[in-house]
Amino acid sequence: DTGVSQNPRHKITKRGQNVTFRCDPISEHNRLYWYRQTLGQGPEFLTYFQNEAQLEKSRLLSDRFSAERPKGSFSTLEIQRTEQGDSAMYLCASSSNRGGLYSGNTIYFGEGSWLTVV
Amino acid sequence: KQEVTQIPAALSVPEGENLVLNCSFTDSAIYNLQWFRQDPGKGLTSLLLIQSSQREQTSGRLNASLDKSSGRSTLYIAASQPGDSATYLCAVGRYNFNKFYFGSGTKLNVKP
Repeated sequence: DTGVSQNPRHKITKRGQNVTFRCDPISEHNRLYWYRQTLGQGPEFLTYFQNEAQLEKSRLLSDRFSAERPKGSFSTLEIQRTEQGDSAMYLCASSSNRGGLYSGNTIYFGEGSWLTVV
Repeated sequence: KQEVTQIPAALSVPEGENLVLNCSFTDSAIYNLQWFRQDPGKGLTSLLLIQSSQREQTSGRLNASLDKSSGRSTLYIAASQPGDSATYLCAVGRYNFNKFYFGSGTKLNVKP
């Protein structure tokens, strides 16, 4: 397994456009997280999936943000009608309490997807 | 709500020094605490995970301690090297695993 994979790595979009990010977690990880990070700050929680169920969503997340995890595998994060304030790095992470190499509740992050809204 | 604070925000040391990074949290009802390293423009790399029942974890030149009752964790880096230059973040995990709370990080610069 090559770890958590995120695409695209960089996205520049015009204000008002929609963007979608994809995350492929470590295989068999049942937990998946999306975080957002701006310069000089720690990651800020956006949403959490356990398998295909979205169990928690930040109150900071406006209705323009939606995330899915069909079949409990990869996940997508869509931002509609982007605003300049959405410019940030969007991080995906996964974890599992099952056995195997990548287990033990350690959370593993992808390289992030940079969004710039102009 | 859990608040996580990391002090100092930035640290510059000469190569070879031993150093301590601090992390404090307001709610002691945690499941685990994890330390991460982040290089500029990159994702987070896990360094050490401490379960709430543990007092410390070690990996190579790194040692992390946890004192739940006082709401504190420290990351000790021995014999620092220029390659250790990065931002170090701590994250506190809740019992139901639905969220991790991060500090703002300590930016470390190790000078040759």
